[in-house]
Amino acid sequence: DQQVKQNSPSLSVQEGRISILNCDYTNSMFDYFLWYKKYPAEGPTFLISISSIKDKNEDGRFTVFLNKSAKHLSLHIVPSQPGDSAVYFCAATIQGAQKLVFGQGTRLTINP
Amino acid sequence: ETGVTQTPRHLVMGMTNKKSLKCEQHLGHNAMYWYKQSAKKPLELMFVYSLEERVENNSVPSRFSPECPNSSHLFLHLHTLQPEDSALYLCASSQVARSVHEQYFGPGTRLTVT
Repeated sequence: DQQVKQNSPSLSVQEGRISILNCDYTNSMFDYFLWYKKYPAEGPTFLISISSIKDKNEDGRFTVFLNKSAKHLSLHIVPSQPGDSAVYFCAATIQGAQKLVFGQGTRLTINP
Repeated sequence: ETGVTQTPRHLVMGMTNKKSLKCEQHLGHNAMYWYKQSAKKPLELMFVYSLEERVENNSVPSRFSPECPNSSHLFLHLHTLQPEDSALYLCASSQVARSVHEQYFGPGTRLTVT
């Protein structure tokens, strides 16, 4: 059973516009969430995270929103840039555990 | 060398071969991880080593055998693999005392089993 789901395998956005990537989870024990970005031929790199005590965390052009009641989180990128084209993975964990549970990833393409 | 390195980057092996994947981290971390990424599937955690002790074995078949000789090195020994084991194998590391959630990944080894 997949505990973290990214239902959109791909997303295409115009440069300068907002990119919104979505993620749903089923395990209510998860209390920490992360987004990773992956370029081809490279490993995933950590992008931004959020604790379940917050509903928003912002870092430059990247903002993660958490809706605990809906078990949903989203990553907003604004404005989107061509260098943002990559696969984005959502991950969840329980604080104190050393295990990240990943979604399938969403391939984001930013069109010039 | 910086970050997390993995060798080889690509590996093709027959089902009767024995091979090993190597991971080295240069970040001073004390936890290391093996993940498997198959096409169109989420990253699957295989093994976790914390302070050189295995703390997680995620129901991985015995044809995969991890080894962590020290906090900087992690191996994945492979023998009698199946074609469905073809995947990208990613190594990661983190610092347990700090945020365990932020794991740093290597570039991966693309494994093809023929």
